[in-house]
Amino acid sequence: AQSVTQLGSHVSVSEGALVLLRCNYSSSVPPYLFWYVQYPNQGLQLLLKYTTGATLVKGINGFEAEFKKSETSFHLTKPSAHMSDAAEYFCAVRLYGNNRLAFGKGNQVVVIP
Amino acid sequence: GAVVSQHPSRVICKSGTSVKIECRSLDFQATTMFWYRQFPKQSLMLMATSNEGSKATYEQGVEKDKFLINHASLTLSTLTVTSAHPEDSSFYICSASPGTGTNTEAFFGQGTRLTVV
Repeated sequence: AQSVTQLGSHVSVSEGALVLLRCNYSSSVPPYLFWYVQYPNQGLQLLLKYTTGATLVKGINGFEAEFKKSETSFHLTKPSAHMSDAAEYFCAVRLYGNNRLAFGKGNQVVVIP
Repeated sequence: GAVVSQHPSRVICKSGTSVKIECRSLDFQATTMFWYRQFPKQSLMLMATSNEGSKATYEQGVEKDKFLINHASLTLSTLTVTSAHPEDSSFYICSASPGTGTNTEAFFGQGTRLTVV
């Protein structure tokens, strides 16, 4: 069964520093992978997704992620953190054969001024 | 992008009563809608998948008689929490998809904060 693992529930980063959120997946078939952001008491907003093609995916708000099949990873990065990046981030994998999503546990990002 | 509207955003109800949450796709027809539940500081747990005109498919461990899902039209799905208890208090989020293909994106509503007192 497909699943994703996100380690470290809370991530603190200084303003202007690199943001790195790790996501590893398990899937017996080529995965479709997603990163979502959630602000307090709101739904999820798609940051970026990988389906096929180019393994380096650029998303909104300056985020990007690289699909590495050999490492079964889809880590999210942003070169320079902004205060507005403080939010919860979820990695997700689409379950094979349908478009249900399985989510990781999430990373709460705190940006330190 | 496509818009999914969820209503209400917050609701407080008394224990034993029922509450209905609506999920509407505003600018596309949603073949499939999904209902998730999110506990504080935790991830989203898929509750059920609903396809227009057919019965919802519930995930293991989700009580179908407790969480009634109706997908009567291509733009509206409802989740009714029946005989609500305080442990049903949670954040409920819907998502809607315009198709069933694996490359079809799902769009999320704003969520509903349910508090049962």
